[in-house]
Amino acid sequence: DTAVSQTPKYLVTQMGNDKSIKCEQNLGHDTMYWYKQDSKKFLKIMFSYNNKELIINETVPNRFSPKSPDKAHLNLHINSLELGDSAVYFCASTEGGGFTEAFFGQGTRLTVV
Amino acid sequence: DAKTTQPPSMDCAEGRAANLPCNHSTISGNEYVYWYRQIHSQGPQYIIHGLKNNETNEMASLIITEDRKSSTLILPHATLRDTAVYYCIVRVAHGDDKIIFGKGTRLHILP
Repeated sequence: DTAVSQTPKYLVTQMGNDKSIKCEQNLGHDTMYWYKQDSKKFLKIMFSYNNKELIINETVPNRFSPKSPDKAHLNLHINSLELGDSAVYFCASTEGGGFTEAFFGQGTRLTVV
Repeated sequence: DAKTTQPPSMDCAEGRAANLPCNHSTISGNEYVYWYRQIHSQGPQYIIHGLKNNETNEMASLIITEDRKSSTLILPHATLRDTAVYYCIVRVAHGDDKIIFGKGTRLHILP
């Protein structure tokens, strides 16, 4: 079984659309993250949730809204997609808010055309 | 900004030990050194972490200098599957502060 799974793996959409990326972890971890990896391959943290509560919210446009229905899921909804949102988005989870052995999903490649 | 400095790329012959350096001269007393790697098109993968002492697991060894200002990740017998970008990260073990990835070292394993 995949520890951290993201869907979809690929997403191609037009500018202005609204899309969601889903993430689920079956590790029983308390903390989940969203990262963005741009074309220059820099990995940047976007959000962090601990037990469904928002812990870290980096300088991310309001068009990005994470939602955590339970501690095993952290979904990312993006409104009014822009060309600059094209990137690979990674979900990750850790136990207890620490960074030891963070588990990452396989990523969602978002392409906005 | 990342608190670590790594060479942008390195080559290593298959079967040899790959030694990846990392400088973290501003590391604080309660900050750990973590290593992750990212194989092409995959999510980052945890390798190892340490505070002061050298550490070893099934994947690698971590050597931290006595002053803790630098460290070296050692892959004892590199294989082609070890070709990846390796990230050295410094942060406290538990906390809500940002987890910052630097540019990493792109390791090429040569057949």
